[in-house]
Amino acid sequence: AQKVTQAQTEISVVEKEDVTLDCVYETRDTTYYLFWYKQPPSGELVFLIRRNSFDEQNEISGRYSWNFQKSTSSFNFTITASQVVDSAVYFCALSEAQSGYSTLTFGKGTMLLVSP
Amino acid sequence: GAVVSQHPSRVICKSGTSVKIECRSLDFQATTMFWYRQFPKQSLMLMATSNEGSKATYEQGVEKDKFLINHASLTLSTLTVTSAHPEDSSFYICSAPRPRGVTEAFFGQGTRLTVV
Repeated sequence: AQKVTQAQTEISVVEKEDVTLDCVYETRDTTYYLFWYKQPPSGELVFLIRRNSFDEQNEISGRYSWNFQKSTSSFNFTITASQVVDSAVYFCALSEAQSGYSTLTFGKGTMLLVSP
Repeated sequence: GAVVSQHPSRVICKSGTSVKIECRSLDFQATTMFWYRQFPKQSLMLMATSNEGSKATYEQGVEKDKFLINHASLTLSTLTVTSAHPEDSSFYICSAPRPRGVTEAFFGQGTRLTVV
């Protein structure tokens, strides 16, 4: 069973639009971590955020915000006033207690294309 | 700055040859490192866990004899793709967790392998 689902394969927006990337996860662990990474065309993974399962506070960092809802097993990511430089593939990932939190299970990624 | 360094970032090799990819932790010791593989427009999939002082642990479906992993020291793990074929062309990326506490996994810059 897929543990991390990013249903949106590709999203295209025009600059300055807001965009939300969805992430739904599945785990039997009560303690786990959720992540978002950005992968620009160069390939490297850029860490954006880590959230543990006990912290449901939403977080805002500049134009980025995250909405964590355990009730729906979702950890959605919103970019406000998108910019061309936001174009990349975004991965949601999960690390679980059973793996010692060391390995990440990634979703399939959402490609975001922001056009001018 | 980068805490995990991966080299080379890009390599092109001929079919039948072997390619070695290095992953180094720069300011900490890593008894464990992880190797992921990413096919074009696909997610990152864990290939194997590299263990310092012992054999690597491979995920189901990953050929041990094709993907040789050596964790030579507490700061270096190498992945050798042996007798490479075009279907081995992929993006390979390593990660290393901090030894204490739970933090985000630090990823190398990735290696784009093209086998011609």
